[in-house]
Amino acid sequence: QQPVQSPQAVILREGEDAVINCSSSKALYSVHWYRQKHGEAPVFLMILLKGGEQKGHDKISASFNEKKQQSSLYLTASQLSYSGTYFCGKNQGGKLIFGQGTELSVKP
Amino acid sequence: DTAVSQTPKYLVTQMGNDKSIKCEQNLGHDTMYWYKQDSKKFLKIMFSYNNKELIINETVPNRFSPKSPDKAHLNLHINSLELGDSAVYFCASSNSPTGVYGNEQFFGPGTRLTVL
Repeated sequence: QQPVQSPQAVILREGEDAVINCSSSKALYSVHWYRQKHGEAPVFLMILLKGGEQKGHDKISASFNEKKQQSSLYLTASQLSYSGTYFCGKNQGGKLIFGQGTELSVKP
Repeated sequence: DTAVSQTPKYLVTQMGNDKSIKCEQNLGHDTMYWYKQDSKKFLKIMFSYNNKELIINETVPNRFSPKSPDKAHLNLHINSLELGDSAVYFCASSNSPTGVYGNEQFFGPGTRLTVL
């Protein structure tokens, strides 16, 4: 079953912060985050593992709460280059099951 | 050097035709994947190969047949194309997804297939 992301879309001004959430109805052992810019391929951002380990990628960080089966992606002081669709994914039997995506638009 | 490459980038064809998409990776990975992304951007895995062996075969019509001649190449052949096959098809590769965590996947640029 695919993870559920919220919100579906968000519009920001440069410099503003955003949070994208990802939840699963079944056990999560890890959460993968990818960003896809318009017309391009998805690009890996980070993997979060059990234990609540928080990993960062520049001004993008994430947290993982395996008890709640949730992960959140934090985009701080957003830049125009952050625009795109963000996907979370969970590993299931060696395959990645992606959420439906969150479209992020950063305006000047 | 391109890490994961796909050809062609665009494919426009008539219903009923047969077409192929090719994928190559030079990252030394042993696992390759095909994904389909529909018009709503939903990204869904179709197939996965590990060292030329098919390990994941999702509920995909048997008109779709993947082939992996070696671990650096994964091709997708589609017979009797239908309107609903229109989508962007992405190839990806990774190290073996051992354990429960999975590994970072590297995606190719995608092939936009339009069936008329």
